[in-house]
Amino acid sequence: SQQGEEDPQALSIQEGENATMNCSYKTSINNLQWYRQNSGRGLVHLILIRSNEREKHSGRLRVTLDTSKKSSSLLITASRAADTASYFCATGDQTGANNLFFGTGTRLTVIP
Amino acid sequence: ETGVTQTPRHLVMGMTNKKSLKCEQHLGHNAMYWYKQSAKKPLELMFVYSLEERVENNSVPSRFSPECPNSSHLFLHLHTLQPEDSALYLCASSQEEWDYNEQFFGPGTRLTVL
Repeated sequence: SQQGEEDPQALSIQEGENATMNCSYKTSINNLQWYRQNSGRGLVHLILIRSNEREKHSGRLRVTLDTSKKSSSLLITASRAADTASYFCATGDQTGANNLFFGTGTRLTVIP
Repeated sequence: ETGVTQTPRHLVMGMTNKKSLKCEQHLGHNAMYWYKQSAKKPLELMFVYSLEERVENNSVPSRFSPECPNSSHLFLHLHTLQPEDSALYLCASSQEEWDYNEQFFGPGTRLTVL
């Protein structure tokens, strides 16, 4: 399967703490993306990291990519209650098609 | 209106009904997608349209029938569904480029099949 797998499946932290979520995948990729989904809503794109990049930042988000290990991590610093959501990684393969393959997500709960 | 919109937001239907889900994107994108999201399962890609032509059909049962009349609109026609088809159906769009394929999602239609 080309789908990514997130780890852990669920994560509960106190407001202000950092949250780290991991993603592993199986095939060669062009890029890896992280999305966020509030309960029962559509997904929102957070950040994209290309296969030739190792780290990327966007506000309180930091994403790393290790293509040798076929893994990525998403770090949310100084978490807020509003960060409570499910987070998904998605991989785009190297076929040139725009298809993305999503994992089952990490459910993050930030306790105020 | 901006972004990707979906209607209806909620739908309850019997197994013998025929209904349609509608998706509209206001982003000028040239690719559109239907996904199915069931509890505790990865997002399942159902159909992909690129430049109004279907380019992907991931072994979806024929009781789901997509239609893409133009680059801004996408429909999913439903008939004789099963209770296991109950799920959140998400539409997305993107602009096809070689190495940048961020997708923009609609809010979804929550479908319940009785």
